[in-house]
Amino acid sequence: GNSVTQMEGPVTLSEEAFLTINCTYTATGYPSLFWYVQYPGEGLQLLLKATKADDKGSNKGFEATYRKETTSFHLEKGSVQVSDSAVYFCALTIYNQGGKLIFGQGTELSVKP
Amino acid sequence: SAVISQKPSRDICQRGTSLTIQCQVDSQVTMMFWYRQQPGQSLTLIATANQGSEATYESGFVIDKFPISRPNLTFSTLTVSNMSPEDSSIYLCSVGVQGEYEKLFFGSGTQLSVL
Repeated sequence: GNSVTQMEGPVTLSEEAFLTINCTYTATGYPSLFWYVQYPGEGLQLLLKATKADDKGSNKGFEATYRKETTSFHLEKGSVQVSDSAVYFCALTIYNQGGKLIFGQGTELSVKP
Repeated sequence: SAVISQKPSRDICQRGTSLTIQCQVDSQVTMMFWYRQQPGQSLTLIATANQGSEATYESGFVIDKFPISRPNLTFSTLTVSNMSPEDSSIYLCSVGVQGEYEKLFFGSGTQLSVL
């Protein structure tokens, strides 16, 4: 079946630290991969995406590369800010499965000044 | 992008009652989904809301418990029936356009507490 596994949180970092949140997946088809972010008190927002192997998604200083050989889509940011404190969800969708998203369990990030 | 209005934003309900959640989109969309986010857990797809026909439910979810309506391309409702404390969750509406699977948008969610 299709599934997404993320590293457990919470993750606590100091401002300007380097961030990595690990995400691995299993998929029976050809997945597109996503990172969604949920800021406190807000709805879920798409952060970045990659639709095929070796694609790199990027947005707001965050990056993730679609690695088919390791079935991974790790989220990275070189220098986090307090405003990056949120819950991050890795997700996938399979092209021929009607747009349904399968989510990882979410990783809470807390950035301290 | 699509702007989604989801109502109510939160509610506290008594066990045994039902609550209907509305999802209104500002443009016509072909895909509408309902997700549940239980406390401290990830999002789980409940069903795909199909316009003019019965919803398609995921394993573990049934129509009697979560009846869904979708009368047109911009509106859907999810009812949580005969509620128990285990139904306390955030319920989210998600929308997209067929074929554009990379462009899925989420409502702000309905936080439901069942006493």
